[in-house]
Amino acid sequence: EAQVTQNPRYLITVTGKKLTVTCSQNMNHEYMSWYRQDPGLGLRQIYYSMNVEVTDKGDVPEGYKVSRKEKRNFPLILESPSPNQTSLYFCASRAAGTGNRGYTFGSGTRLTVV
Amino acid sequence: GENVEQHPSTLSVQEGDSAVIKCTYSDSASNYFPWYKQELGKRPQLIIDIRSNVGEKKDQRIAVTLNKTAKHFSLHITETQPEDSAVYFCAASATSNAGGTSYGKLTFGQGTILTVHP
Repeated sequence: EAQVTQNPRYLITVTGKKLTVTCSQNMNHEYMSWYRQDPGLGLRQIYYSMNVEVTDKGDVPEGYKVSRKEKRNFPLILESPSPNQTSLYFCASRAAGTGNRGYTFGSGTRLTVV
Repeated sequence: GENVEQHPSTLSVQEGDSAVIKCTYSDSASNYFPWYKQELGKRPQLIIDIRSNVGEKKDQRIAVTLNKTAKHFSLHITETQPEDSAVYFCAASATSNAGGTSYGKLTFGQGTILTVHP
C-alpha cells in the first residue's frame, strides 16, 4: 500500500530534550516536506526536500532541522524543543514533474513540549 | 514568497445547499492549486486540484474555478451532505522552476470549517 509513515503518533517531552520524528514513504517520491498545524493558522511548511541531499527552508524553519540521506526517509529533528513547538506535525511526499499531483500526507505526530 | 488567503473561516449550511470557499494567492508563478479535506483527527486528503491552464474542473459534487488574472480560485460543493463536514484547505504551488520560484513549496490557506446541518 502506498503510504507515508510517521513515528511516533504521540510524543510528550520536556523542554530542551532533543527528539527526532521519523518519516518514510514507499512511493519513490522525489519531494518530501514537513508541516505543522496549529489552530487558526492552517498548515505551515517547515522544511522541504526536492531530492536526496537537497533541502530548503519553508515558512517556519526556526528551531528545526532535517536531513535527506535516502530518498525514502526525511526525519525532522528538534535539537532543543520549546513549548511553542507544541503542535501537530505532518510529513508529506509528492512526485516531481508538472503532471503530478499534490502532497500525500502521513497520519500526523502530536507533539507536546512541557 | 507565496501568501494564500482563504475565506470564510467558518461556513454553516443546511444539507442540500451549496457551499463556496474562496482563496486568493499572491505569487503569479503559482500554477497548481489543490484543495484538501481534513476530517476531525485525520490527515489532510486531496479532493480536487486545478492547474493554471484550465479555468474550471468538476468531480461529481465538487468543482473548482480559477481566475489567474485576479489570482483567486474557489471550491464549490453542491448538494451538501453531513459527511461533507470537515476543514477544507486551499493551497498554491509552482510545479516548475519558472522565475526562480522554488517548486518544492506548497503554501496553504488558513482553512475553512464547514458544517453541514441535517
